[in-house]
Amino acid sequence: DAKTTQPPSMDCAEGRAANLPCNHSTISGNEYVYWYRQIHSQGPQYIIHGLKNNETNEMASLIITEDRKSSTLILPHATLRDTAVYYCIVRVPLGTGRRALTFGSGTRLQVQP
Amino acid sequence: DSGVTQTPKHLITATGQRVTLRCSPRSGDLSVYWYQQSLDQGLQFLIQYYNGEERAKGNILERFSAQQFPDLHSELNLSSLELGDSALYFCASSVGLAPETQYFGPGTRLLVL
Repeated sequence: DAKTTQPPSMDCAEGRAANLPCNHSTISGNEYVYWYRQIHSQGPQYIIHGLKNNETNEMASLIITEDRKSSTLILPHATLRDTAVYYCIVRVPLGTGRRALTFGSGTRLQVQP
Repeated sequence: DSGVTQTPKHLITATGQRVTLRCSPRSGDLSVYWYQQSLDQGLQFLIQYYNGEERAKGNILERFSAQQFPDLHSELNLSSLELGDSALYFCASSVGLAPETQYFGPGTRLLVL
């Protein structure tokens, strides 16, 4: 899996967009970018994933740069319930061997009232 | 609600004891994964089962074992417990072998005294 770099923490005002960056400069052509989040002591929750096109679902948007070396997860209208640790994971979908997700340190997002 | 259930929610036991954690995957999911999350470490992958067979192993101690039953529920057995085994244990499930879109349960909090 490609190495990812995320800021350890970020703050965001409630109601504003939260933009969480992730650098993955060693990403290879067939690796996808996945985002999960973990609200305090709960199980991680899948958010979104993408290969090279921007993706949007009911939870968030994922913007991947053209060179695919970085991406941004966007929560369009952050609420207090979005306070969590956000993990960016890069890997091949059907990689052999290690089949589990590798969770790094992530970004701790604090949404402020 | 992810659809993955774990029991018990909390477990307090003594060193040297043995415990069993139970997980029921989402309906239709064939893969079950077990993760350990302690205070000073991130999510660590332990083991994966797919349709009753072990498919991948992570940092699982020899004192730990798991199995997946014909009805697809899984159990994680922890024996000769040590203080350092105190942690949150999460179960996750996915439809197939590819682990990217995993659905996590609420976890079992184990405290070894």
